[in-house]
Amino acid sequence: NAGVTQTPKFQVLKTGQSMTLQCAQDMNHNSMYWYRQDPGMGLRLIYYSASEGTTDKGEVPNGYNVSRLNKREFSLRLESAAPSQTSVYFCASSGGAGNYGYTFGSGTRLTVV
Amino acid sequence: AQSVSQHNHHVILSEAASLELGCNYSYGGTVNLFWYVQYPGQHLQLLLKYFSGDPLVKGIKGFEAEFIKSKFSFNLRKPSVQWSDTAEYFCAVDLDSNSGYALNFGKGTSLLVTP
Repeated sequence: NAGVTQTPKFQVLKTGQSMTLQCAQDMNHNSMYWYRQDPGMGLRLIYYSASEGTTDKGEVPNGYNVSRLNKREFSLRLESAAPSQTSVYFCASSGGAGNYGYTFGSGTRLTVV
Repeated sequence: AQSVSQHNHHVILSEAASLELGCNYSYGGTVNLFWYVQYPGQHLQLLLKYFSGDPLVKGIKGFEAEFIKSKFSFNLRKPSVQWSDTAEYFCAVDLDSNSGYALNFGKGTSLLVTP
């Protein structure tokens, strides 16, 4: 089925460990996004990529890096995980011109202990 | 700063009651507006969206929303809620930046519908 695929679905890290969250879309969308969801905070934008080869910071970029590997893939890296990064992470994609709508992945639940 | 505000953080209703969830945004330019729903343990699903045209938008599962430009509002309504509507609801605004578009969310409203 067409959509946004995120891996892994669940992950537990120790403080200081690193990991990369993977995201891929097969809808030929230009734009891709990473959000984190925390109770009472809604979804907050971490980074986004308006098109292949570009990335921009969102509302909460500290502690994260991203790579737009190609048009399909947009990864999120935690270089040194902290307990404050315990969250549910959602990847999304859109056609990019604003009115194409957004498609969300099923999320990655990350716990940092 | 540009923001999306949802007025009600927690709402409890009985089945068959009417629902209205408030959403306001602070942005003077052209916006696209969305309501998403997240059922327990699931990811976001689009309820409805407004891009242009008729300001009264009908979505899935009997939901509708009205865009009032003068009030910067996009309130979500449903005439008669069901137990299965228990979920978290997010208003979102699509803002154009110098680098492209990104979706900005409100903090969400948790709806509990009791039998």
